[in-house]
Amino acid sequence: GAVVSQHPSRVICKSGTSVKIECRSLDFQATTMFWYRQFPKQSLMLMATSNEGSKATYEQGVEKDKFLINHASLTLSTLTVTSAHPEDSSFYICSARDSGTTGNQPQHFGDGTRLSIL
Amino acid sequence: SQKIEQNSEALNIQEGKTATLTCNYTNYSPAYLQWYRQDPGRGPVFLLLIRENEKEKRKERLKVTFDTTLKQSLFHITASQPADSATYLCALGPRSGGYNKLIFGAGTRLAVHP
Repeated sequence: GAVVSQHPSRVICKSGTSVKIECRSLDFQATTMFWYRQFPKQSLMLMATSNEGSKATYEQGVEKDKFLINHASLTLSTLTVTSAHPEDSSFYICSARDSGTTGNQPQHFGDGTRLSIL
Repeated sequence: SQKIEQNSEALNIQEGKTATLTCNYTNYSPAYLQWYRQDPGRGPVFLLLIRENEKEKRKERLKVTFDTTLKQSLFHITASQPADSATYLCALGPRSGGYNKLIFGAGTRLAVHP
């Protein structure tokens, strides 16, 4: 089945540090990947849509200079949280859709990154 | 704005019984609806998709219904097992375009007791 690998699974770092999270589709190509943020017992909140070879589309209220997204290949998207502060602590999850499929296909999720800023 | 409601309280049932989870939505007309399972500290895993012109979908012990008049989907797990304990998320799919961005509910936590 379609596998999405997200790395690292957990990051603990000091305030002011920039953190990069990788999202890879292992056995399929993904023109589009999605980045979500999830707080405890809350729904997945879409932060941005990552498009291969073009700029990401950010949801309202998400700072694009704070959350840098790069989608340089059909199998890799990265999210960089720049100058992270304690309020950025959260569970970040990526997902990808198989570009080779059509219609209303499911999204395949990574296992998330638990980010803790001290 | 769109709103999705799933039971915020945990659903506790006995092993072997049927679990029924509800997803209600307002101010939206989805082309399809998906159900995902999420375990603690993990990403969601896709379970079932049902389109607006489908009333019911089944997969092994799982069954999903979709009532566009009531704006509601029901998710059933028959012969439930402790291994079914997890949080179940419903997600609404757009009619067209928008990169197929999904709108997720907050999920309902299911606990199946032996």
